[in-house]
Amino acid sequence: LAKTTQPISMDSYEGQEVNITCSHNNIATNDYITWYQQFPSQGPRFIIQGYKTKVTNEVASLFIPADRKSSTLSLPRVSLSDTAVYYCLVGDNGVRVEGNTPLVFGKGTRLSVIA
Amino acid sequence: EAGVTQFPSHSVIEKGQTVTLRCDPISGHDNLYWYRRVMGKEIKFLLHFVKESKQDESGMPNNRFLAERTGGTYSTLKVQPAELEDSGVYFCASSQVQRSPYNSPLHFGNGTRLTVT
Repeated sequence: LAKTTQPISMDSYEGQEVNITCSHNNIATNDYITWYQQFPSQGPRFIIQGYKTKVTNEVASLFIPADRKSSTLSLPRVSLSDTAVYYCLVGDNGVRVEGNTPLVFGKGTRLSVIA
Repeated sequence: EAGVTQFPSHSVIEKGQTVTLRCDPISGHDNLYWYRRVMGKEIKFLLHFVKESKQDESGMPNNRFLAERTGGTYSTLKVQPAELEDSGVYFCASSQVQRSPYNSPLHFGNGTRLTVT
């Protein structure tokens, strides 16, 4: 199973850009990289997904270098409501007879946004 | 669209009792997953349904846990008899079946917090 490593915690002031980097040295060729956000007492919520280079949506950007051994989630101009735990997951997209490898959650990064 | 719903949101039972958790996935999502987080630990995979079939149940801790998804719609997870170490938050997630299910994002419910005393 592809494992990930993220910083345990990060602090930021409101209005700043926050970059959270995730290491996934043993990522497989068919693996996608997906980031989730989780607030207390809620389930994880999908933020963004990518395979290579850069992906951007209305809430975040995801930067993936050519070797794909790491990825960086970028949150522009964070607000207090962005305080949450952010998880980086990798998972294969191959259809196998025995089923796909289940996504593995790590410890995540606890982001605290300060006013 | 309605999201993934789980019932109950909280459950407190005594050791040895039985509890059944329910998950209603997003309509049209054939993939259904159960995860759980016990106190202070990471979110762990339990099992995966594709429609009514168990695709992967490698994460089920023991035979006290029984998951079903009759008809391929909602799913239940029964714990019988419950033990103290079963306490935690049980999450359900669903996703669409594409050629590659794992690049279809998971949509999670808010979980059921189970406390076994």
